[in-house]
Amino acid sequence: GQNIDQPTEMTATEGAIVQINCTYQTSGFNGLFWYQQHAGEAPTFLSYNVLDGLEEKGRFSSFLSRSKGYSYLLLKELQMKDSASYLCALNYGQNFVFGPGTRLSVLP
Amino acid sequence: DAGVTQSPTHLIKTRGQQVTLRCSPISGHKSVSWYQQVLGQGPQFIFQYYEKEERGRGNFPDRFSARQFPNYSSELNVNALLLGDSALYLCASSFLITGANTGELFFGEGSRLTVL
Repeated sequence: GQNIDQPTEMTATEGAIVQINCTYQTSGFNGLFWYQQHAGEAPTFLSYNVLDGLEEKGRFSSFLSRSKGYSYLLLKELQMKDSASYLCALNYGQNFVFGPGTRLSVLP
Repeated sequence: DAGVTQSPTHLIKTRGQQVTLRCSPISGHKSVSWYQQVLGQGPQFIFQYYEKEERGRGNFPDRFSARQFPNYSSELNVNALLLGDSALYLCASSFLITGANTGELFFGEGSRLTVL
């Protein structure tokens, strides 16, 4: 299997910066995607990486190192509405393989 | 613009019954995928359809089947329901078959199935 690992839960303070890690033991994927999922809602796309390096999209950035089997999602200037689960997913063309997700709680 | 729509939003079935879930993709999207999400876990791939043909199948038993219609809407059928089939079933659409381009998925709100 792809053995995708993410921390189960994280807590951070409003206005802070948080880094959510995703590690995997596989290769041959097209890209690594990050999705946000609020409780009871559908996942929504945040960011993706095809090549190694950092991709920045406003308050969200994602990093990929294929050689290290590692990615992270960086959230800056945290807001209460960022409390959600964050899913990393590997794309293999016809399907995505999702990690277990990290539940982030943002505290005032 | 309407997003991905799914029906029903919630349903309760008993073991052994059959269920049909429906999905309408975003207008112009030709690819529909189905995912199962058990509480506390990430979504797990079931099927992908593109231009009415099955293009991918995940590790699910033959009790699970799907089809795509000429208008690109899709149905997921599950026969002989088991307690373990209780989950959120997510439909996602995309314009292209996902590949090395920005093949992001647009998810519907899901159908929450409870099997008693």
